[in-house]
Amino acid sequence: DAKTTQPNSMESNEEEPVHLPCNHSTISGTDYIHWYRQLPSQGPEYVIHGLTSNVNNRMASLAIAEDRKSSTLILHRATLRDAAVYYCILRDVRNFNKFYFGSGTKLNVKP
Amino acid sequence: ETGVTQSPTHLIKTRGQQVTLRCSSQSGHNTVSWYQQALGQGPQFIFQYYREEENGRGNFPPRFSGLQFPNYSSELNVNALELDDSALYLCASSLVGTGSEQYFGPGTRLTVT
Repeated sequence: DAKTTQPNSMESNEEEPVHLPCNHSTISGTDYIHWYRQLPSQGPEYVIHGLTSNVNNRMASLAIAEDRKSSTLILHRATLRDAAVYYCILRDVRNFNKFYFGSGTKLNVKP
Repeated sequence: ETGVTQSPTHLIKTRGQQVTLRCSSQSGHNTVSWYQQALGQGPQFIFQYYREEENGRGNFPPRFSGLQFPNYSSELNVNALELDDSALYLCASSLVGTGSEQYFGPGTRLTVT
């Protein structure tokens, strides 16, 4: 199973953009890139996903490198409510039943 | 539209006992996955059920078993509890399909003493 590498923690100031990186050098052509986040004392929450092209939704943007070996989750204006652990996950479309989390990046947002 | 619910919220068991955790999927979802999350770690995939059959399993022993019912609710059963089974157990429901997102419940905190 392809793995992802993320920094253990990052810090941001409120109202500023945040770029959360993820490396997935062994990604295969059938792997989707998913991002989830987990707020304290809650289950993980879907943020965004993509395959090849950059994606935008109301929560965030996902920038995918041309070779797909890395991606970046972009929060355009961090708020205190965005403080959470962010997980970058590869999901093989051929094995939709497999969904493996790594250790994630703990994002701290300072007021 | 109701979200994913889990019961109980917290549970304390002793080593060697058996436990059953329950999950009610989001309306219309036909797939449920279970995860174990130890303190300070990411969720670990236990197994997934689709159309009432196990449809994939992570690296967990057979004493972890499950059921999915026709109304898409689900159970996770753990036999012969060990101290290391203490964790947050999460279920997530989804619609089978390419890249379909999963909706997680709040989890059940299991403590084994």
